[in-house]
Amino acid sequence: QVQLVESGGGVVQPGRSLRLSCAASGFTFSSYGMHWVRQAPGKGLEWVAVIWYDGSKEYYTDSVKGRFTISRDNSKNTLYLQMNSLRVEDTAVYYCAREDWTVGKYASDLWGLGTMVTVSS
Amino acid sequence: QSALTQPASVSGSPGQSITISCTGTGSDLGAYNYVSWYQQHPGKAPKLMISEVTKRPSGVSNRFSGSKSGNTASLTISGLQAEDEADYYCSSYTTSTTWVFGGGTKLTVL
Repeated sequence: QVQLVESGGGVVQPGRSLRLSCAASGFTFSSYGMHWVRQAPGKGLEWVAVIWYDGSKEYYTDSVKGRFTISRDNSKNTLYLQMNSLRVEDTAVYYCAREDWTVGKYASDLWGLGTMVTVSS
Repeated sequence: QSALTQPASVSGSPGQSITISCTGTGSDLGAYNYVSWYQQHPGKAPKLMISEVTKRPSGVSNRFSGSKSGNTASLTISGLQAEDEADYYCSSYTTSTTWVFGGGTKLTVL
């Protein structure tokens, strides 16, 4: 079954760290660029980061640069998001998403169900 | 990295057509034809409806169509159905090798 399953969310204090995982199955994970997208409660979607299919390049939205790191382990079919120095405004559901150029360039056709991260003292 | 601009809400009656606009800048929407549209029902993950301005993924109804002129893209839904009631987000690739979403539009089917 083609799917993405996020995990690792939870409640964390400001300034602490958390690592999210996204397990991919049912497709050749190493062939696709992968994204993290977040959605604060009651708010819209916000793009967070992307990593190339081979892990060679990564890009971030300005608000997380220097604090978050996207990575992947193609041998484990898993995407990660290391989140350091967390802030209250990082509270959101975090989705991982696959970018599939056969469907459309720079578009994400497969999304996970998301994992909730709450940053609160 | 400012969000693309969408109307907060639109509404229409069953069978009617509606259009949702998405306005960006020359660094995103205006630079490329890499505009996508996503549908999100409450509590669900987003679903890709349109890619590269006009492409419809397999399985997406042909009632959904996209267009773009300059720095503004549009999503049109014809023959509105109750199941179309959802939030819709536009997204664009940018010249900074980043992605940007619109603020989202809540579609109400009257």
